[in-house]
Amino acid sequence: ILNVEQSPQSLHVQEGDSTNFTCSFPSSNFYALHWYRWETAKSPEALFVMTLNGDEKKKGRISATLNTKEGYSYLYIKGSQPEDSATYLCAFSNTNAGKSTFGDGTTLTVKP
Amino acid sequence: DAGVIQSPRHEVTEMGQEVTLRCKPISGHDYLFWYRQTMMRGLELLIYFNNNVPIDDSGMPEDRFSAKMPNASFSTLKIQPSEPRDSAVYFCASSFGGSGYEQYFGPGTRLTVT
Repeated sequence: ILNVEQSPQSLHVQEGDSTNFTCSFPSSNFYALHWYRWETAKSPEALFVMTLNGDEKKKGRISATLNTKEGYSYLYIKGSQPEDSATYLCAFSNTNAGKSTFGDGTTLTVKP
Repeated sequence: DAGVIQSPRHEVTEMGQEVTLRCKPISGHDYLFWYRQTMMRGLELLIYFNNNVPIDDSGMPEDRFSAKMPNASFSTLKIQPSEPRDSAVYFCASSFGGSGYEQYFGPGTRLTVT
């Protein structure tokens, strides 16, 4: 069983604040790390796929970094907006076989 | 492309009845995944297929659950007989390629077993 942990479990910030959260995964046998955004009553939507140590990805105000040697990834949101409120999931894969193990997510609430 | 299509969107059934959930993946995708979302266990992988062949069904909770993929454009998840503890949201997702590629999720089927 692969242990994928996300912290914090939930986060409340004010509009305009920048925030970040963490995904921890096994540092051995890394293949890929995914980030998903999951709004309430909708389905998960892919944000990033990262495969190389040191990878940095950016989409608008959201960015992610990857450290495979120490087994963590950070997701950053700059200048949070209410529409950023969602649960952010990470998913770890140790092979190319297709299977990913999901963390429990960080639920972000951005107050206007 | 219309994205991953799931039907029905909502299903309410009585304990003991058979339930069949359907999924149409994105055309050209060679991986198909079935997930279940519950409050207690979060998002858990039930089974996944590669090129219509089941690869890993270790997440299927028990023999009451079965899944098939008769062709590249259709998959079913069947529960027979259904029980109240099966109540959850069931997601289907597809991807092109293995773990290094993003998965595209369908809208989910909300199943309620009374």
